[in-house]
Amino acid sequence: DVKVTQSSRYLVKRTGEKVFLECVQDMDHENMFWYRQDPGLGLRLIYFSYDVKMKEKGDIPEGYSVSREKKERFSLILESASTNQTSMYLCASSLYPRGDTEAFFGQGTRLTVV
Amino acid sequence: AQSVTQLGSHVSVSEGALVLLRCNYSSSVPPYLFWYVQYPNQGLQLLLKYTTGATLVKGINGFEAEFKKSETSFHLTKPSAHMSDAAEYFCALPSGNTPLVFGKGTRLSVIA
Repeated sequence: DVKVTQSSRYLVKRTGEKVFLECVQDMDHENMFWYRQDPGLGLRLIYFSYDVKMKEKGDIPEGYSVSREKKERFSLILESASTNQTSMYLCASSLYPRGDTEAFFGQGTRLTVV
Repeated sequence: AQSVTQLGSHVSVSEGALVLLRCNYSSSVPPYLFWYVQYPNQGLQLLLKYTTGATLVKGINGFEAEFKKSETSFHLTKPSAHMSDAAEYFCALPSGNTPLVFGKGTRLSVIA
């Protein structure tokens, strides 16, 4: 089975801290994604990556950056955390970038910024 | 750009009753369509997907969905709800060269 692992289930950080959310997948997928999930808003795409060292902005990239140095790992970085970044963050991966390909999700990281 | 709309942010049914969760899509080309489920404090997992061919798609846990092009709909159904079906359900489709675009979700409650 495909496994997508997010390094933390729960995080509490202070305003202004630099925050790293890590995601690792074990199925040699080309594509990885970061979504943010908020009540009533569904999942919104922050960034995605089709290959190592490649990244594309999603719908809400402001305040975030990403890093993909190795195929299996995709990191989301909050350069200076703010309270409006308190949310559930979901990482996903898929074999192909579009079409009928299923995306596999991690368990999520619930981030609270205080 | 393609999009999905889920009608009803919260649906409540009695155990044993029919489950119907609604999804309408907007797409200029024949779409691929997905339903995902999220149980409390977990990530999303695929319930079923429509690609091409048969318009009635069967998924896991007794769920199925029917693709109706004339109505631009892909509603999710289950004949008899179980308590374990309580979760949040998301309809999704790919949009151009980008990954999946999700609806806002429908929370299903099952009453004993």
